[in-house]
Amino acid sequence: EPEVTQTPSHQVTQMGQEVILRCVPISNHLYFYWYRQILGQKVEFLVSFYNNEISEKSEIFDDQFSVERPDGSNFTLKIRSTKLEDSAMYFCASVWTGTGITDTQYFGPGTRLTVL
Amino acid sequence: SQQGEEDPQALSIQEGENATMNCSYKTSINNLQWYRQNSGRGLVHLILIRSNEREKHSGRLRVTLDTSKKSSSLLITASRAADTASYFCATDAGGNNRLAFGKGNQVVVIP
Repeated sequence: EPEVTQTPSHQVTQMGQEVILRCVPISNHLYFYWYRQILGQKVEFLVSFYNNEISEKSEIFDDQFSVERPDGSNFTLKIRSTKLEDSAMYFCASVWTGTGITDTQYFGPGTRLTVL
Repeated sequence: SQQGEEDPQALSIQEGENATMNCSYKTSINNLQWYRQNSGRGLVHLILIRSNEREKHSGRLRVTLDTSKKSSSLLITASRAADTASYFCATDAGGNNRLAFGKGNQVVVIP
């Protein structure tokens, strides 16, 4: 069964450093997302991406964050200058919705980001 | 606004018993999805129920949706130790299919 993959599974970085989290969505899916989950809290939406541009972003997704789909398969989340409060599990997700009807959103296994 | 708010509870049951958890939300939705998360791991999709559906089954899972009360329930029948996890509901209310998650229910199944 196709699945969303994410690398790395765990990233440790120093405060102020840039990190890039990588995702490979399911190949025929059209919508892509990043979410995060701070330890012990609920999953929060960061950004959605469709047709090679951001379609929606949350208040969390400030100028320190950016997303890119550099080729036909990868979808990346960049944090330019990490802060301690960026420590969280980051999930990538994708949806097909080729018909316009809302559909199952599939999540990757997550990248645990630890900012020291 | 907050969407997909479960009754945050920790449920501890014996293997073989049924587990029920609830979720409420505040605005109109396109669909509601339930996910399972084992400790520190990824989100596994369990079931999707659309706004025009009232009940859906998948194996030992039964989901109901009451749009008039803006609530949903997830029933796990004949629970197993492997069902021990956190269960989240998530609502899809917008045009971009983004999900709003609740706080999750922690279920512990005692062998």
